[in-house]
Amino acid sequence: DARVTQTPRHKVTEMGQEVTMRCQPILGHNTVFWYRQTMMQGLELLAYFRNRAPLDDSGMPKDRFSAEMPDATLATLKIQPSEPRDSAVYFCASGLSQAQPQHFGDGTRLSIL
Amino acid sequence: GENVEQHPSTLSVQEGDSAVIKCTYSDSASNYFPWYKQELGKRPQLIIDIRSNVGEKKDQRIAVTLNKTAKHFSLHITETQPEDSAVYFCAASPSGGSNYKLTFGKGTLLTVNP
Repeated sequence: DARVTQTPRHKVTEMGQEVTMRCQPILGHNTVFWYRQTMMQGLELLAYFRNRAPLDDSGMPKDRFSAEMPDATLATLKIQPSEPRDSAVYFCASGLSQAQPQHFGDGTRLSIL
Repeated sequence: GENVEQHPSTLSVQEGDSAVIKCTYSDSASNYFPWYKQELGKRPQLIIDIRSNVGEKKDQRIAVTLNKTAKHFSLHITETQPEDSAVYFCAASPSGGSNYKLTFGKGTLLTVNP
């Protein structure tokens, strides 16, 4: 059963530190999404890629967040410097194309102290 | 952009009863509508989806209906069981062009009481 793999599963760090979250999409999927989930805001789309090219990162705070896909098997989301308000669960999802299901990873639970 | 409204935000039913969750969307270009179930501390998992060329789809105790004219779609769960308790999210997505986004509703917390 193919799955999206995210690391780390949990991360606790102090504010000001750099945080890097990684995602391995399902093999063959060419669209990768980063979401942030909080109780207040629900599921928010931060950025997404198709064929490794960024298509939309309008949901991402540009001054501190960056998303990249160095290759087809790895997507990264970085926060530098981190702030307490960044505490959330960050999900990566991958899919094949439009009008196709997105499959979510298990998420990274991030706590910024 | 697309806006998806989901109701109710919480729903409590007795085991064996039916549960219905409703969503409306704003963008007439949307034509793909998945539903996700998220258990506490877990990832959202796709449970059923529907495309605009059909009005209803069933999978065992779960069904989804779509009314494109009214721009709303609904999830129906029959013979609910305690393991159906979770947060359910609807979503909408267009096809065509370069937009691959899913826009999610805010979620419905379903509690099935034994």
